Amino acid sequence: DIQMTQSPSSLSASVGDRVTITCRASQSISNFLNWYQQKPGKAPKLLIYAASSLQSGVPSRFSGSGSGTDFTLTISSLQPEDFATYYCQQSYNSPWTFGQGTKVEIK
Amino acid sequence: QVQLVQSGAEVKKPGSSVKVSCKASGSDAISWVRQAPGQGLEWMGGIIPMFGTANYAQKFQDRVTITADDSTNIAYMELSSLRSEDTAMYYCARKFQLGWFDPWGQGTLVTVSS
Repeated sequence: DIQMTQSPSSLSASVGDRVTITCRASQSISNFLNWYQQKPGKAPKLLIYAASSLQSGVPSRFSGSGSGTDFTLTISSLQPEDFATYYCQQSYNSPWTFGQGTKVEIK
Repeated sequence: QVQLVQSGAEVKKPGSSVKVSCKASGSDAISWVRQAPGQGLEWMGGIIPMFGTANYAQKFQDRVTITADDSTNIAYMELSSLRSEDTAMYYCARKFQLGWFDPWGQGTLVTVSS
């Protein structure tokens, strides 16, 4: 199975900050990498697919980059509604696996 | 707009089975993902209703059965031999061909307790 490792596991940031979350795959997955946002008590929501494509309706302050084994999710200017947990997921090989999550908290 | 609506919460005894349903507005590929309390996301398996064939994560291979009724656009996930560690929120999600999940159902909480 492909292991996905996110860093950091949690971070504290202020409104307006630029936030970067990293996801590393245990083997090359080309650009088969997706990002989700999950708020407490809610289902995950797709933000970015194929490493860098913004899902329809997602604010442009979210962006994704990377290829191979290293990927990043960037929030250019953190907004109050962005405090949540973020997960990466590889879609290169079954079983489809997720990172352990990064919790973004208010500083 | 595609929506996935799941069946309600369940409380089950250890050793029993649970069957969760997921009604879609189309006949898309459906996957099941679970999330234990305070934990991350874990893919269990999926199905393409048009073909009726399911594939499973090895961890769940011997305990989970995923089926779909193409005529009603309802997918089902049945988990057997339940144990306390199976207490979790179970989500269905539409799986796109290139592998991302969108949208997700609202989740079904399954509690396993004696």
